[in-house]
Amino acid sequence: EAQVTQNPRYLITVTGKKLTVTCSQNMNHEYMSWYRQDPGLGLRQIYYSMNVEVTDKGDVPEGYKVSRKEKRNFPLILESPSPNQTSLYFCASSFRGEGAQYFGPGTRLTVT
Amino acid sequence: GDSVTQMEGPVTLSEEAFLTINCTYTATGYPSLFWYVQYPGEGLQLLLKATKADDKGSNKGFEATYRKETTSFHLEKGSVQVSDSAVYFCALSDRGFGQNFVFGPGTRLSVLP
Repeated sequence: EAQVTQNPRYLITVTGKKLTVTCSQNMNHEYMSWYRQDPGLGLRQIYYSMNVEVTDKGDVPEGYKVSRKEKRNFPLILESPSPNQTSLYFCASSFRGEGAQYFGPGTRLTVT
Repeated sequence: GDSVTQMEGPVTLSEEAFLTINCTYTATGYPSLFWYVQYPGEGLQLLLKATKADDKGSNKGFEATYRKETTSFHLEKGSVQVSDSAVYFCALSDRGFGQNFVFGPGTRLSVLP
């Protein structure tokens, strides 16, 4: 089954404790992206990747890192999480970056 | 930069009513346009798309036409069902500039039986 998986689905952590949210897709898509969804602000892009070793900032990259060492994986790293990063995070992938995106189920992160 | 504007909602309709959710965009390139739907507790799913002017996307009774002259991509359905209750997002992908995606704020639709 074609899908995008994210782990964990729920995470509660404390300020400053490094964390990684994993994202994996099995559709051989070149393009992958991370978004955060906040009430009243909609969906905002954090980072995207056109292919292996090619990443670029989206609209809200501050406080986040990404890496793309393999085509199927695109982890989101928060080196020093802060409460303003409490949000619902979605990973997505697509073919060549111009077609429809497939979204993961989301990761709800709470930073206290 | 690129942007997408859509009616904020919430929109509440009775079953079998006609639905329109307005969406307009600004883009410096030649974007592809999309409608996504998010059901409670789930990720976004592609509902329909259009890649060039005058294209009509359709799926599950929903339709939207890419209008370049009015920079619009309004979502319509002739007869909504309770199961259509969800949040609907208009989005664009501007291939000429980084190929990143821009989403509208979402419109919450509630359909009452």
